[in-house]
Amino acid sequence: EPEVTQTPSHQVTQMGQEVILRCVPISNHLYFYWYRQILGQKVEFLVSFYNNEISEKSEIFDDQFSVERPDGSNFTLKIRSTKLEDSAMYFCASSEATSGGAHEQFFGPGTRLTVL
Amino acid sequence: AQSVSQHNHHVILSEAASLELGCNYSYGGTVNLFWYVQYPGQHLQLLLKYFSGDPLVKGIKGFEAEFIKSKFSFNLRKPSVQWSDTAEYFCAVMFKAAGNKLTFGGGTRVLVKP
Repeated sequence: EPEVTQTPSHQVTQMGQEVILRCVPISNHLYFYWYRQILGQKVEFLVSFYNNEISEKSEIFDDQFSVERPDGSNFTLKIRSTKLEDSAMYFCASSEATSGGAHEQFFGPGTRLTVL
Repeated sequence: AQSVSQHNHHVILSEAASLELGCNYSYGGTVNLFWYVQYPGQHLQLLLKYFSGDPLVKGIKGFEAEFIKSKFSFNLRKPSVQWSDTAEYFCAVMFKAAGNKLTFGGGTRVLVKP
């Protein structure tokens, strides 16, 4: 069964450093998403991406965040200058585009980001 | 803002007991509803979903959920749990007016004792 994959599984970085989290969505999917879960808190939506552009973003997704689909398979989340409060589990998800507009999202295993 | 709440943070029960996990969401018009499960060390997996039609939805592994529109609820049930149902369960809502993003509840950790 096709799966969303994410690398690395765990990333440790120093505050102020840039990190890139990588995701390979399911191959025939066209919508891509990033969510995060800070320890002890809810899973929160960050951004959705369709047709090579951001379709929605949350208040969390400020100028230090960016997303890119650099090739036909990868979908990346970049954090330019990490802060302590960026420490979280980051989940990538993807879904098919359907004419009915209802989408089931498939999630990757997550990248645990630790900012020191 | 749209929100989703799950009534219990932790549930402990014995094998063969019945399970019901509550999920309520704030009013927000048309919704799509989901329950995801995360087994220890694994990623979020879809248990079941409601888009339209019969409000009683059957999912994988014997789970079902009932959408009660008047109560803004989508409670998850399983008549008889097994030790392998030990996991964290997340209710998620897609408020159609807010696009395709999912709004998650806080999750419920379920421990099934053998």
